[in-house]
Amino acid sequence: DVKVTQSSRYLVKRTGEKVFLECVQDMDHENMFWYRQDPGLGLRLIYFSYDVKMKEKGDIPEGYSVSREKKERFSLILESASTNQTSMYLCASSLFGTGYFFGPGTRLTVL
Amino acid sequence: AQKITQTQPGMFVQEKEAVTLDCTYDTSDQSYGLFWYKQPSSGEMIFLIYQGSYDEQNATEGRYSLNFQKARKSANLVISASQLGDSAMYFCAMSRYNSGGSNYKLTFGKGTLLTVNP
Repeated sequence: DVKVTQSSRYLVKRTGEKVFLECVQDMDHENMFWYRQDPGLGLRLIYFSYDVKMKEKGDIPEGYSVSREKKERFSLILESASTNQTSMYLCASSLFGTGYFFGPGTRLTVL
Repeated sequence: AQKITQTQPGMFVQEKEAVTLDCTYDTSDQSYGLFWYKQPSSGEMIFLIYQGSYDEQNATEGRYSLNFQKARKSANLVISASQLGDSAMYFCAMSRYNSGGSNYKLTFGKGTLLTVNP
């Protein structure tokens, strides 16, 4: 069965902290994505990766970075968390663009 | 650039009735995919249905069907015989099929909140 897991369902951090969100997929997918979801704005793409060590900026990359050292794992990094990064973060993976599978999401609160 | 528009922020439907959720898209690509996802209050994104741009027949999955009108660039979701458990946020999304591996990202609309009344 297809599975995408995220390291935490809920996370509370303080302003200025470095935050790591991890995503793991077990489907051998080439493509992995990080989205941010805010009320009224839908899902917005932060970064995506189409291969190990390869990454591309999405629509809202500012304040974020990513790492993909292994095919199954894609990490989102908030170098210095700010309150406007309080949001729901969703990871997804896909093989050829015909099926996208999402993780359960991480609700991040930055105080 | 790709754009997805969902013009209905909220919709109400009576249990057992059918409902149509609207989605229009804008793209200059010839090859693309259209998706609908359901997101209940728990937050998980549940895949419902997929339509490829070259598929001539409308996609169907159980009670879900996608009314694909390519010339009008619309991809409306039809839910037949609504159930209370259908109450959720629904997102329309589009993917690109360009070769090269770097353009398979999924672009989402802002969603429609469906409420099914008993």
